[in-house]
Amino acid sequence: NAGVTQTPKFQVLKTGQSMTLQCAQDMNHEYMSWYRQDPGMGLRLIHYSVGAGITDQGEVPNGYNVSRSTTEDFPLRLLSAAPSQTSVYFCASSSGGGRGYTFGSGTRLTVV
Amino acid sequence: GESVGLHLPTLSVQEGDNSIINCAYSNSASDYFIWYKQESGKGPQFIIDIRSNMDKRQGQRVTVLLNKTVKHLSLQIAATQPGDSAVYFCAEIRSNDYKLSFGAGTTVTVRA
Repeated sequence: NAGVTQTPKFQVLKTGQSMTLQCAQDMNHEYMSWYRQDPGMGLRLIHYSVGAGITDQGEVPNGYNVSRSTTEDFPLRLLSAAPSQTSVYFCASSSGGGRGYTFGSGTRLTVV
Repeated sequence: GESVGLHLPTLSVQEGDNSIINCAYSNSASDYFIWYKQESGKGPQFIIDIRSNMDKRQGQRVTVLLNKTVKHLSLQIAATQPGDSAVYFCAEIRSNDYKLSFGAGTTVTVRA
């Protein structure tokens, strides 16, 4: 049981490039979310999903797209990377109820 | 033990003392409140949760208190150990769509 798996762990992009951060969970969780964490700050919600085929925006969705074609996968796409998107990105999943969400180990993204 | 009445970003605790970390929340419609621990370079890890219809819940060395009147949440750690050094976040889950929102973190440093 791997939990929540994020790839890659590290990535450097040039301004204007696009890329997809991968997130997969093997716990059959309905709910999945993407967060970004900037130095000295908390986690801010980018996008979330309450089930396959259903997504919605969080606090900071601009510049990011998501889709949820399967229960297991919830990729985050950066359309045109900007230095302001330099951050650590966390994916999380939950079955609902107590215990909240299980988090992946994060992707550290640098945009130069 | 060491405690703070209001939320402070840092807390220094003597090993063996009790710690109290405070958090204010904003959403009265939240169904669950959760404390997460984040160690350097890792994703947030679930510590304990409390449902909105409860005012106290105990775990192993940890106790969470919920005061809905003043929208205040606290985490008490008994006999603080060096392994408790981390950033602690409170979070709340909205009941209608299970969206997880984080509060400000508190960095706990345990002095030997």
